[in-house]
Amino acid sequence: QQQVKQSPQSLIVQKGGIPIINCAYENTAFDYFPWYQQFPGKGPALLIAIRPDVSEKKEGRFTISFNKSAKQFSLHIMDSQPGDSATYFCAASRSGNEKLTFGTGTRLTIIP
Amino acid sequence: DVKVTQSSRYLVKRTGEKVFLECVQDMDHENMFWYRQDPGLGLRLIYFSYDVKMKEKGDIPEGYSVSREKKERFSLILESASTNQTSMYLCASSPHGADTQYFGPGTRLTVL
Repeated sequence: QQQVKQSPQSLIVQKGGIPIINCAYENTAFDYFPWYQQFPGKGPALLIAIRPDVSEKKEGRFTISFNKSAKQFSLHIMDSQPGDSATYFCAASRSGNEKLTFGTGTRLTIIP
Repeated sequence: DVKVTQSSRYLVKRTGEKVFLECVQDMDHENMFWYRQDPGLGLRLIYFSYDVKMKEKGDIPEGYSVSREKKERFSLILESASTNQTSMYLCASSPHGADTQYFGPGTRLTVL
């Protein structure tokens, strides 16, 4: 049972564009929603995270938008650069449970 | 800086062999995790350990076992490797109560 659905599976965007990656979750007990970024040959690393008490969080060029009623959250990358080319994973967890449930990943390519 | 190291970057084994994947973290983290990463399936949790000698099954534990004799080391064991266990294996760690997981670079295992 996939509890976090992620789309699209792959995405190609021109430099300067705004790629958007979407995730939907089923478990209403989830209260922590991170995004991890993985470069080729490396393990995933935390990029940005949000909790349901806010609808948006920005860190530099990366923004998470969160819609609690729709049980959806998304990652936006402003002014995307070729260096942002990576695989992005959304995830979810609930307080007191230190395990993360990951989405299926999105392979993002930013072309010059 | 948190460092999670995995014993091998690439490993080739034959069907039926016993395989050991080792993971070491240097930040005194209580929690350690083993995931496998497959295209289109994302990261799936195999086993989780929240303390020395303590373990908990993840979503796909069949065919795997784990060992945690020391806090810094978490081993994944394939008792009798099969071709469907060909995958990228990622180890992660986190402090107790923390949301962020720190990943190693991964071991790409091929079972022939």
